[in-house]
Amino acid sequence: DAKTTQPPSMDCAEGRAANLPCNHSTISGNEYVYWYRQIHSQGPQYIIHGLKNNETNEMASLIITEDRKSSTLILPHATLRDTAVYYCIVRGSNTNAGKSTFGDGTTLTVKP
Amino acid sequence: DTGVSQDPRHKITKRGQNVTFRCDPISEHNRLYWYRQTLGQGPEFLTYFQNEAQLEKSRLLSDRFSAERPKGSFSTLEIQRTEQGDSAMYLCASSGDSMRGYTFGSGTRLTVV
Repeated sequence: DAKTTQPPSMDCAEGRAANLPCNHSTISGNEYVYWYRQIHSQGPQYIIHGLKNNETNEMASLIITEDRKSSTLILPHATLRDTAVYYCIVRGSNTNAGKSTFGDGTTLTVKP
Repeated sequence: DTGVSQDPRHKITKRGQNVTFRCDPISEHNRLYWYRQTLGQGPEFLTYFQNEAQLEKSRLLSDRFSAERPKGSFSTLEIQRTEQGDSAMYLCASSGDSMRGYTFGSGTRLTVV
């Protein structure tokens, strides 16, 4: 699985959009980008995934660059409850692709 | 869908003792994963099952660690002769045939004293 690079920490004002970047320059053509978040003392929570098209769900939007070497997770109206560690990972498209490899993520702090 | 359940939530044990953790995945999920997480770090992969078959093990999983998934349902992770370095959160996750991400449990926090 390709490795990802994320900033260790970011701040965001409550009510504003939070834009979390991720670099995955060695991503392969069949690898998806996944985002999870982890609130203190809980297990990670799946947020969204995508291959090359932008994706949106009730939690967030995922913007993937045309060359697929980077992506941005967007939380459109951040709340204090969005304070968490956000992990970006890449994983093969084969459903037998095995494990997902987590880095250290980005700690997002939403401030009032 | 009751989610992924892990038991116990917390375990304190003396060094040298054996411990066993249980994970109950989402019933229709055929894949089950164990991860370990220490403070300030992301989850580290330990092992993965597809149905009852253990398909991959990390080199982190020393001979003192063993995992099983009999009948492809619940899974157990056993640590023998625990060491202080085993203190961590042990996370279980499951997934199905779709490309949707994993569903994680709340984890078992192990403290070895």
